[in-house]
Amino acid sequence: EIVLTQSPGTLSLSPGERATLSCRASQSVSSSYLAWYQQKPGQAPRLLIYGASSRATGIPDRFSGSGSGTDFTLTISRLEPEDFAVYYCQQYGSPPRDTFGQGTKLEIK
Amino acid sequence: EVQLVESGGGLVKPGGSLRLSCAASGFTFSSYSMNWVRQAPGKGLEWVSSISSSSSYIYYADSVKGRFTISRDNAKNSLYLQMNSLRAEDTAVYYCASREIVGATWEAFDIWGQGTMVTVSS
Repeated sequence: EIVLTQSPGTLSLSPGERATLSCRASQSVSSSYLAWYQQKPGQAPRLLIYGASSRATGIPDRFSGSGSGTDFTLTISRLEPEDFAVYYCQQYGSPPRDTFGQGTKLEIK
Repeated sequence: EVQLVESGGGLVKPGGSLRLSCAASGFTFSSYSMNWVRQAPGKGLEWVSSISSSSSYIYYADSVKGRFTISRDNAKNSLYLQMNSLRAEDTAVYYCASREIVGATWEAFDIWGQGTMVTVSS
């Protein structure tokens, strides 16, 4: 099983700042099958990024993903008030043995 | 509007059973893989089970294998999760989610329901 470790656990920033979230895998994630989700309290997760760097439909371009192998990054270029939430990375592939990171909470400073 | 709506959650005693349902609308249900993902209170996300569009391929997390059964009815645009021998650690919000299978790759979860709460307690 691929274990995903996200850092930091909590990130305190102000609107307008840049956020950098990290996801490290215990072994290489094949073909960059790495996704990022955003979850707000009481809501279902929302897909932001798939294939490590492709934005899902309707996702603003301030969200970007990068990385390969075992190290991946989600960057939010300029934080909006609605971006404060919990973010999860996920590895997927074939056959499905999906695992998620433990989450990074992005909070308002 | 693309939508997934779960139902069937509730309070059940340890060792009991529960059947969750997920009703799909607004997309071609029969073309998508369907999945269950759960989230224990205050915790992260855990993949539970996946079923291919024609039910030919079914997978389970080790934590539920032998106790949970996933199924679907494409004529009714519905997904199910039969949960038996429930344990306290199965307490969670259960989400249904769809994803495409491209080639042999089960892609990221692109549509999620709002979730249904399952509480296992005496």
